[in-house]
Amino acid sequence: EAAVTQSPRNKVTVTGGNVTLSCRQTNSHNYMYWYRQDTGHGLRLIHYSYGAGNLQIGDVPDGYKATRTTQEDFFLLLELASPSQTSLYFCASSEGGLSYEQYFGPGTRLTVL
Amino acid sequence: KTQVEQSPQSLVVRQGENCVLQCNYSVTPDNHLRWFKQDTGKGLVSLTVLVDQKDKTSNGRYSATLDKDAKHSTLHITATLLDDTATYICVVGDRGSALGRLHFGAGTQLIVIP
Repeated sequence: EAAVTQSPRNKVTVTGGNVTLSCRQTNSHNYMYWYRQDTGHGLRLIHYSYGAGNLQIGDVPDGYKATRTTQEDFFLLLELASPSQTSLYFCASSEGGLSYEQYFGPGTRLTVL
Repeated sequence: KTQVEQSPQSLVVRQGENCVLQCNYSVTPDNHLRWFKQDTGKGLVSLTVLVDQKDKTSNGRYSATLDKDAKHSTLHITATLLDDTATYICVVGDRGSALGRLHFGAGTQLIVIP
């Protein structure tokens, strides 16, 4: 079964702070994704990647950078965090593209004060 | 604009009762529809996927239907258990290819009480 892990699980930072969220998958999946989940909204795609060194822009990319260093590891970077980025962040992976079954990590709850 | 609407937003049932969750969408094209279960503080876990124009699936106490003409899906949970307490999320995939996108509903929060 797919295994996607995220760290940290919880993070609190201040406005203007620098935050890196980490995601690792051990399934040799090509695609990895970062989503945010907010109350009253469905998951929204921030960035995704189809391989090491590749980055694709999602639907809500403003204020976020991402980097895929290896097939296993995908990072989400918030260089100047703002309170509007307080959210629950999920990483996911899939063998094929966006329409294929995605396996989700447990989530990282980020609070920006 | 929200393209996947789920109802009700929340639902409380007693253990052992049945319940039905609804999903209406306007996504076009609509290649497939998947239902996920999200336990509090955890990631999404796939329950079932529906693909055909009029489709039905069954997975234990979970069963689902899809009518692409009506752009409507239901998730039935029979004989609910306390462990069914979770948020159930409807997701529509617009294409069956790498170019496709997933469209997520906001979820229905189900609470099962003793």
